[in-house]
Amino acid sequence: EDQVTQSPEALRLQEGESSSLNCSYTVSGLRGLFWYRQDPGKGPEFLFTLYSAGEEKEKERLKATLTKKESFLHITAPKPEDSATYLCAVQAWGSNYKLTFGKGTLLTVNP
Amino acid sequence: GAGVSQSPSNKVTEKGKDVELRCDPISGHTALYWYRQRLGQGLEFLIYFQGNSAPDKSGLPSDRFSAERTGESVSTLTIQRTQQEDSAVYLCASSPGDLTDTQYFGPGTRLTVL
Repeated sequence: EDQVTQSPEALRLQEGESSSLNCSYTVSGLRGLFWYRQDPGKGPEFLFTLYSAGEEKEKERLKATLTKKESFLHITAPKPEDSATYLCAVQAWGSNYKLTFGKGTLLTVNP
Repeated sequence: GAGVSQSPSNKVTEKGKDVELRCDPISGHTALYWYRQRLGQGLEFLIYFQGNSAPDKSGLPSDRFSAERTGESVSTLTIQRTQQEDSAVYLCASSPGDLTDTQYFGPGTRLTVL
């Protein structure tokens, strides 16, 4: 059974204080690892897809990296508007493309 | 362009009643998914539609849950004889069905069963 564990469950940062979120996974055969951002009362918003170990992707203050066992979402000099829940999900080969999600990390960035 | 839309945004019902939730996918997206998000839990896959193929119903939690999709357009998720444990946010996602297969989510329907 595919599993995704995210840590920490919650993270408080001061504006400008860089940090990383972790996503550990076990999957029968990884087709892709996805990062989403979810604001309260809204649906998840797509951020990145990573397909193979060593791959990195960046968007503004966010950078996602992937190894064979985990992914990190690095947040550089965060701003209050980066406050959200960040969700990690894996997609396995032969799974009809369904996503298996972790419980998310609630990030709060204080001004 | 327009994203995935869902209706209603909120639904309050009494235990034992049936409810119907609607999803309008992004135009041209051939794949459609339903997920459930319960408080403090990760999103759980419910059902997947791809074009005219038979749907993947492997995530439906009980036979009280069913879903339909007409072609590559609107989908409805029906929950019969609702129970309190059905209270959750129900999210719909669609994807182009190409090799990248990124799923784009709607805003969800918050279902509360009293």
